[in-house]
Amino acid sequence: ILNVEQSPQSLHVQEGDSTNFTCSFPSSNFYALHWYRWETAKSPEALFVMTLNGDEKKKGRISATLNTKEGYSYLYIKGSQPEDSATYLCAPLGGTSYGKLTFGQGTILTVHP
Amino acid sequence: DADVTQTPRNRITKTGKRIMLECSQTKGHDRMYWYRQDPGLGLRLIYYSFDVKDINKGEISDGYSVSRQAQAKFSLSLESAIPNQTALYFCATSDNARQGPYNEQFFGPGTRLTVL
Repeated sequence: ILNVEQSPQSLHVQEGDSTNFTCSFPSSNFYALHWYRWETAKSPEALFVMTLNGDEKKKGRISATLNTKEGYSYLYIKGSQPEDSATYLCAPLGGTSYGKLTFGQGTILTVHP
Repeated sequence: DADVTQTPRNRITKTGKRIMLECSQTKGHDRMYWYRQDPGLGLRLIYYSFDVKDINKGEISDGYSVSRQAQAKFSLSLESAIPNQTALYFCATSDNARQGPYNEQFFGPGTRLTVL
């Protein structure tokens, strides 16, 4: 089981603010990193799957970067909107995980109008 | 229609009862997973199956069993439910095509189970 830490645990921002949060994971034997968004009363949905050191992915106002050498990924949201309120989960995949994701506890984002 | 469905969506049961949670998918994926979610703990893997004949324990399999009846169906059973199995349970699927473990997982709507 991989040790995955997400910070902060929760975050409150005002509409229009930009924000970011962190996912830390073991850098050894890295294989891939998944980010999911989980809105209240819905199911988690994949945002990004990242594999290469230095990789940067973008979807609308949300982007993510990956540093596999030091074992972290940042998720950025530019100009937060109330509909961005959700729990953001990261899940690294190690080389010996045989396809099993280990999820962090998540960062709960609340965007106030 | 949803690609990944779970039944029931909500269930209240008593300690000691046997209960089965069912998951069906129309995505044609070979890989299926069962997770439970407890507040502050994220999603934890209970069991996973990479094809009909390949079933494996996850990190918290004690007290649970599974059955992969077909490519499209993966059931989770609690043989004798206990209160600390009260949680939100998710089924998920993923493709095992050439990208292998890079492939994103698709989640069902969840089953909220309460064991009294």
